[in-house]
Amino acid sequence: DTGVSQNPRHKITKRGQNVTFRCDPISEHNRLYWYRQTLGQGPEFLTYFQNEAQLEKSRLLSDRFSAERPKGSFSTLEIQRTEQGDSAMYLCASRARTGIGKDGYTFGSGTRLTVV
Amino acid sequence: KQEVTQIPAALSVPEGENLVLNCSFTDSAIYNLQWFRQDPGKGLTSLLLIQSSQREQTSGRLNASLDKSSGRSTLYIAASQPGDSATYLCAVRGGAQKLVFGQGTRLTINP
Repeated sequence: DTGVSQNPRHKITKRGQNVTFRCDPISEHNRLYWYRQTLGQGPEFLTYFQNEAQLEKSRLLSDRFSAERPKGSFSTLEIQRTEQGDSAMYLCASRARTGIGKDGYTFGSGTRLTVV
Repeated sequence: KQEVTQIPAALSVPEGENLVLNCSFTDSAIYNLQWFRQDPGKGLTSLLLIQSSQREQTSGRLNASLDKSSGRSTLYIAASQPGDSATYLCAVRGGAQKLVFGQGTRLTINP
């Protein structure tokens, strides 16, 4: 396990369909984050898990978005009734418990969503 | 609310030049600052992490400085190479868990 893994890498979906993305963090990292990045912008925070508990959600995360992290391992991000404005790169990151390692964030390669 | 600004938005320089990328943030109460590199269509690769108590970090040809009191960080790239072409993002973490990112500097190194 050398990094954060995200699947799928690319997803094209029709407007109104539901999509689900998966993130597998670094195994010893108990903190997991989802970010969204649109073209030409920096990533924006969506939500954060510590183990299996979802501790913070951004206002960007509308009711159509839901994230889970069962058993504190992998995480899924689901978007229901997709809209064209949901087209973006969805990035997952993980981080070790404070005091372990360098405390920096490790990001995955992202899932590029295109809603047509 | 923390805001992060990166200047310039884009930079094009000939190979071999030394260059500086700038990052400023509005709230000096940060825990740390992290510089990332992003290639087109890819995820983020961490370059350097500076804790709030540190003034600088170095990795190879990269040097990042932090002046927390003035809300500024710089990323210095020595002897630039075409392979350094990418978007460079800085991000700060305050008391909350989330990172706040700048919009990035798109760097092009011309052979």
